[in-house]
Amino acid sequence: SQQGEEDPQALSIQEGENATMNCSYKTSINNLQWYRQNSGRGLVHLILIRSNEREKHSGRLRVTLDTSKKSSSLLITASRAADTASYFCATDFNTDKLIFGTGTRLQVFP
Amino acid sequence: SQTIHQWPATLVQPVGSPLSLECTVEGTSNPNLYWYRQAAGRGLQLLFYSVGIGQISSEVPQNLSASRPQDRQFILSSKKLLLSDSGFYLCAWSRDRDEKLFFGSGTQLSVL
Repeated sequence: SQQGEEDPQALSIQEGENATMNCSYKTSINNLQWYRQNSGRGLVHLILIRSNEREKHSGRLRVTLDTSKKSSSLLITASRAADTASYFCATDFNTDKLIFGTGTRLQVFP
Repeated sequence: SQTIHQWPATLVQPVGSPLSLECTVEGTSNPNLYWYRQAAGRGLQLLFYSVGIGQISSEVPQNLSASRPQDRQFILSSKKLLLSDSGFYLCAWSRDRDEKLFFGSGTQLSVL
């Protein structure tokens, strides 16, 4: 399967702590993206990182990409209760389509 | 600015009934269009994608079909719904390959 795999499947932390989610994939990619989904809603794009990039930042978000290990990580620093959501990685595998992983459910307790 | 409209928000249909979900995009031309399905608490499964009018790629053999009658309109259909068609259906668009997706608000379909 081309699908990315997120790890862990679920994560529970306290407000103020950092949250790290990982994504692994199996074949070559052109870019890797991270999305967030609040329960029962559509997905919202967070960050896109291209295969020739190693790290990108956006506010409290930091994404790394290691193409040699075929893996990416999403770090949310100083988490807030409002960060509670499911987070998905998605990869294009050098095609027109975007394939999503299984997601990580993040719960941030106040 | 670009917007995506997807309707209805919820739908309850009996087994064997037809289905038509519509998605339209405003404020852009020739978008790539996608239909995804999400089972409860699960990841997204790509069903169909389209890079132009009349160009539909199917990812999963199933009871569903898609059409793109106009540049910014994407329709998901079924002639006879099955119980297994229940799920959360999401439409999305992007400007091009290698670009981020913008998602609609989704349709929760329950087939009873």
